Amino acid sequence: EIVLTQSPATLSLSPGERATLSCRASQSMSSYLAWYQQKPGQAPRLLIYDASNRATGIPARFSGSGSGTDFTLTISSLEPEDFAVYYCQQRSNWPPYTFGQGTKLEIK
Amino acid sequence: EVQLVESGGVVVQPGGSLRLSCAASGFTFDDYTMHWVRQAPGKGLEWVSLVGWEGKSTYYADSVKGRFAISRDNSKNSLYLQMNSLRVDDTAFYYCAKGTYNGYFDSWGQGTLVTVSS
Repeated sequence: EIVLTQSPATLSLSPGERATLSCRASQSMSSYLAWYQQKPGQAPRLLIYDASNRATGIPARFSGSGSGTDFTLTISSLEPEDFAVYYCQQRSNWPPYTFGQGTKLEIK
Repeated sequence: EVQLVESGGVVVQPGGSLRLSCAASGFTFDDYTMHWVRQAPGKGLEWVSLVGWEGKSTYYADSVKGRFAISRDNSKNSLYLQMNSLRVDDTAFYYCAKGTYNGYFDSWGQGTLVTVSS
């Protein structure tokens, strides 16, 4: 089973700042990684798939990069609605599909 | 517009059984793999199970293997999760999710809460 470790656990930033979230895998998995956003009381939403492809309707300020074991989600300039919890997910070696433990992006 | 609506979550005693349902609309249901993903209150996401488009291919997380059974009825655009021998640590919101062709989850329901407690 591939274990995904996200860092930091909590990131405190202000609107307009750049956010950089990390996801590290326990073994190499090419580019088979997705990122999801979850707001309180809501279901997750797919943001990025295959490490760097934005899902339908996702703003251009969200970008993903990485391959192998190290992946990054970048939000170029934070909007108020971007403060949420972010999860990475792998589909390289399944079952099971696995998720990281999440990074909470909070307003500073 | 894709819609996924889960139902069936209740409070159940340890050792009990429950069947969750998910009603799908807005897409060709029998073209897609479907999943259940759960989230304990205040915790992270855990993939539970998937069923292939034809209903024959099924996979489970080790934590539920042998206790849960996923199924689908393509004539009713519906997904199901039969949950037996429930444990306290099965308490979670259960989300129905539409799978992409390449192993991600691109649409989610609003979730249904299963509480296992005596």
